[in-house]
Amino acid sequence: EAGVAQSPRYKIIEKRQSVAFWCNPISGHATLYWYQQILGQGPKLLIQFQNNGVVDDSQLPKDRFSAERLKGVDSTLKIQPAKLEDSAVYLCASSFPTAGGKGVYEQYFGPGTRLTVT
Amino acid sequence: LAKTTQPISMDSYEGQEVNITCSHNNIATNDYITWYQQFPSQGPRFIIQGYKTKVTNEVASLFIPADRKSSTLSLPRVSLSDTAVYYCLVGDPGAGSYQLTFGKGTKLSVIP
Repeated sequence: EAGVAQSPRYKIIEKRQSVAFWCNPISGHATLYWYQQILGQGPKLLIQFQNNGVVDDSQLPKDRFSAERLKGVDSTLKIQPAKLEDSAVYLCASSFPTAGGKGVYEQYFGPGTRLTVT
Repeated sequence: LAKTTQPISMDSYEGQEVNITCSHNNIATNDYITWYQQFPSQGPRFIIQGYKTKVTNEVASLFIPADRKSSTLSLPRVSLSDTAVYYCLVGDPGAGSYQLTFGKGTKLSVIP
């Protein structure tokens, strides 16, 4: 079974530039999440989609961050303009909306995109 | 969302059993307890999930006392490859917007 795919794996930009990250979830997973993980901390949820609708974006800095999930499959997360404090790993995860085949509620994470803002 | 408290770090020798305890005093009735593992430069990976008593799978066991205010992840006979950060999370999967709130986790270092 293919996992969650993310690209690019690494990105270096200057502050005030824009950047976009792409995520392809596991086939059949209706729920998609974007997390931000700053070095030394646990991941922080930015936005959650159910199919192509937003379930929760309360922690998304909407003045500079945006995300979309067209057609309920792939998703993109954009930052414009970037700030130094946006340097982090951006993780995408997906899951079934209910318990999977093993009877557990599990989120599957991609490898992440490491963003460095200089 | 229930807050969790777990040790910042732990050391263990290879071949030993490691127990990581997590405190979640305000766990709600419908909350499940889930543990994730994260290696450097990788996304977190699901380890185990439970609601009460004991759950065991091929990699770990999860012990939950009757009051559910704490839980213990048990890793049998750890190896160097178990060096990672372990996160304890609680949440209600049936809430319609099941979310995971990660703390700083427990950094486990396995020593040869």
